[in-house]
Amino acid sequence: EAQVTQNPRYLITVTGKKLTVTCSQNMNHEYMSWYRQDPGLGLRQIYYSMNVEVTDKGDVPEGYKVSRKEKRNFPLILESPSPNQTSLYFCASSRTGIYGYTFGSGTRLTVV
Amino acid sequence: AQSVTQLDSQVPVFEEAPVELRCNYSSSVSVYLFWYVQYPNQGLQLLLKYLSGSTLVKGINGFEAEFNKSQTSFHLRKPSVHISDTAEYFCAVSLWDGGYQKVTFGTGTKLQVIP
Repeated sequence: EAQVTQNPRYLITVTGKKLTVTCSQNMNHEYMSWYRQDPGLGLRQIYYSMNVEVTDKGDVPEGYKVSRKEKRNFPLILESPSPNQTSLYFCASSRTGIYGYTFGSGTRLTVV
Repeated sequence: AQSVTQLDSQVPVFEEAPVELRCNYSSSVSVYLFWYVQYPNQGLQLLLKYLSGSTLVKGINGFEAEFNKSQTSFHLRKPSVHISDTAEYFCAVSLWDGGYQKVTFGTGTKLQVIP
């Protein structure tokens, strides 16, 4: 089954404790992207990648890092999480942006 | 830069009634347009997309949308809604920006279908 898999689904952590949210796709897609979803703000892009070793900042990149060492994986790293990063995070992939994205099921992160 | 406006944050509608969810965009260049649906506790799922050609686009679950270039709109419609259509709907636009196909999402419209 074609899918984007994110882990974990739920995560509660403390301020300053580094964490990684994993994302993997099995569709051989070039494009991958991370979004955060907050009430009333819709989805905002954090980082995106057009291919292996090609990543760039989206609209809200502060406090986040990504890497794309393999085509299928695109982990999101929060090196020093803060409470304002409490949000619902989605990973998505696409063959190219014009065909639409396939989304993962989301990771609900709470930073206390 | 492009932007997307979804004029209604919530739309209540009775079951079997028609519904229209509004979306307007602004862009100085040609765009591609999308509607996504998000059911509770799930990720977004592509409903339909407009790339070119006929301005009336049909999607899954009986939804359709009409691209209106002069009004820069891409409203989503369904002639008769079901309880199962209760979800949040997101409009999105995509265009080339510095060699990348950038996608911008609207803030979402929650559709509440009332039995």
